[in-house]
Amino acid sequence: DVKVTQSSRYLVKRTGEKVFLECVQDMDHENMFWYRQDPGLGLRLIYFSYDVKMKEKGDIPEGYSVSREKKERFSLILESASTNQTSMYLCASRGTGGFGNTIYFGEGSWLTVV
Amino acid sequence: AQTVTQSQPEMSVQEAETVTLSCTYDTSESDYYLFWYKQPPSRQMILVIRQEAYKQQNATENRFSVNFQKAAKSFSLKISDSQLGDAAMYFCASEDNNNDMRFGAGTRLTVKP
Repeated sequence: DVKVTQSSRYLVKRTGEKVFLECVQDMDHENMFWYRQDPGLGLRLIYFSYDVKMKEKGDIPEGYSVSREKKERFSLILESASTNQTSMYLCASRGTGGFGNTIYFGEGSWLTVV
Repeated sequence: AQTVTQSQPEMSVQEAETVTLSCTYDTSESDYYLFWYKQPPSRQMILVIRQEAYKQQNATENRFSVNFQKAAKSFSLKISDSQLGDAAMYFCASEDNNNDMRFGAGTRLTVKP
């Protein structure tokens, strides 16, 4: 089975802190994604990566950056956390071919910024 | 840009009965996929069912089936013989051939014993 692992399930950070959310997948997938999930808004794409060191902005990239130094790992970085970034963050991966293929999700990281 | 609308924030069903979750979408593309994903409480989101727009036959996966009405841009999910393990948040999603994927706001399904 494909496994997408988000190392931190629950985090509480202070406003202005730098926050790292880590994600690792074990299926050698080229494509990796970071989504933000908020009630009533569904999932919104923050960033995605289709290869090592490659990244593309999604719909809501402001206040976030990403890093993909190795194929299996995709990190989301909040440079200076703010209270409006309190949310659940979902990492996902997908193999080559993209369109129509199954996206595999991690369990999510609940971030609270106080 | 695509949009996906789930008009039912919450639904409930009695165990063993049938429930239908609604989804409408809007896209200008002729080639696209539609999905239903299930997110159980505190667990990973998983794919329930997938439909390619070119296929007229409705997709079916065991107790899960869809009613795909292309002209009406409607893609509802029917769950038959509901089980307690079906309780989850369900997301409808649409993806076009530019790999632009959009999710609806979700429907929380409660299954009553």
